Amino acid sequence: QKEVEQNSGPLSVPEGAIASLNCTYSDRGSQSFFWYRQYSGKSPELIMSIYSNGDKEDGRFTAQLNKASQYVSLLIRDSQPSDSATYLCAVNTHNAGNNRKLIWGLGTSLAVNP
Amino acid sequence: EPEVTQTPSHQVTQMGQEVILRCVPISNHLYFYWYRQILGQKVEFLVSFYNNEISEKSEIFDDQFSVERPDGSNFTLKIRSTKLEDSAMYFCASRRQGEQYFGPGTRLTVT
Repeated sequence: QKEVEQNSGPLSVPEGAIASLNCTYSDRGSQSFFWYRQYSGKSPELIMSIYSNGDKEDGRFTAQLNKASQYVSLLIRDSQPSDSATYLCAVNTHNAGNNRKLIWGLGTSLAVNP
Repeated sequence: EPEVTQTPSHQVTQMGQEVILRCVPISNHLYFYWYRQILGQKVEFLVSFYNNEISEKSEIFDDQFSVERPDGSNFTLKIRSTKLEDSAMYFCASRRQGEQYFGPGTRLTVT
């Protein structure tokens, strides 16, 4: 059974701080990794994708991938109250059919305090 | 910016009734997906669709479920005889390359 694990939180950080969110996955064949943000009652919104080892930066967000450790993380710099949401880690494996279904973690709840 | 749309936003139905959830994927996307999320639980993959056929389905996607792309824009999920445990948010997603983009979801409540 392919699994994606996240600490459910809540993770609480003060406004302006760095929030660090972590995710581990069980399938060594996984090749694509995504971070989605989900506000309560809303749909997942794509924040970052990462496909190769190392860091990828986009504005205040940095995704980090370490395939050897089967670990992916998301850093949010200068956290804002509007960043308060659940952050979902999703992983897929590139199978022969190019299906690329996403396997999801339960999500980490982030609260940014003004 | 193009986006995935879904209708209705909320559907209430009685157990045993049929429901059809509708999605309009982003126009130049080729791969389509249905996921569901029961309150407080993980997002779960239901089915993927490419080139007018199912490419993969999960064990959740049993004979009660079907998908269709009746025309060039719509993508539907039908549940033939709803059960209480089908109550969930249902999300449609589409992709062209690696990233999947999600619609706003349909909240299905089965009473």
